[in-house]
Amino acid sequence: EVQLVESGGGLVQPGGSLRLSCAASGFTFSSYEMNWVRQAPGKGLEWVSYISSGGSTIYYADSVKGRFTISRDNAKNSLYLQMNSLRAEDTAVYYCARETPQLDYWGQGTLVTVSS
Amino acid sequence: QPVLTQPTSLSASPGASARFTCTLRSGINVGTYRIYWYQQKPGSLPRYLLKYKSDSDKQQGSGVPSRFSGSKDASTNAGLLLISGLQSEDEADYYCAIWYSSTWVFGGGTKLTVL
Repeated sequence: EVQLVESGGGLVQPGGSLRLSCAASGFTFSSYEMNWVRQAPGKGLEWVSYISSGGSTIYYADSVKGRFTISRDNAKNSLYLQMNSLRAEDTAVYYCARETPQLDYWGQGTLVTVSS
Repeated sequence: QPVLTQPTSLSASPGASARFTCTLRSGINVGTYRIYWYQQKPGSLPRYLLKYKSDSDKQQGSGVPSRFSGSKDASTNAGLLLISGLQSEDEADYYCAIWYSSTWVFGGGTKLTVL
């Protein structure tokens, strides 16, 4: 069974940092492209970042470019999102999602709250 | 102007059909893109429903009933999601998405009320 489990969310002050993790199981993680997608409270889905299966190709939404860094460790079946210089508008549930090319499996999400 | 525009809300009666539109920004040709559709029920994570580019290039998500289908309206430059035989359990937010310029772009979502 495919499982994606995010962790690392929490309350952080504006300007602070957080590192999100997504633990994958039930499939050959190293063969799949992965994404982070977020959803602010009561709002729609917003794509954040993409990483290719080997990690060599990475894309970011303009809203996070230069502040967020996506990475993966295929040996550990894990996806990461390093978030720096956080802003109030980054407050959201962050989902990791497998791409096939549709986003066919999503984790339950981890809530990031940026507030003083 | 957003890349993808969806109506905010839609309501329909049980047993009726619902037609969701996802309009691409002028200059972005709907014929070029696969349109992906996702469903999100309150308090749940998004679920992939289907993708549609043409009648020969489409795919239903795993376990998604055949009463969910995709199409396009070239005259309005829009992707369409059609749900027939509406059930109360179909009440949810529906999002369209495309892979555009090396990014995933989501529409703002349409909230379906079944009443």
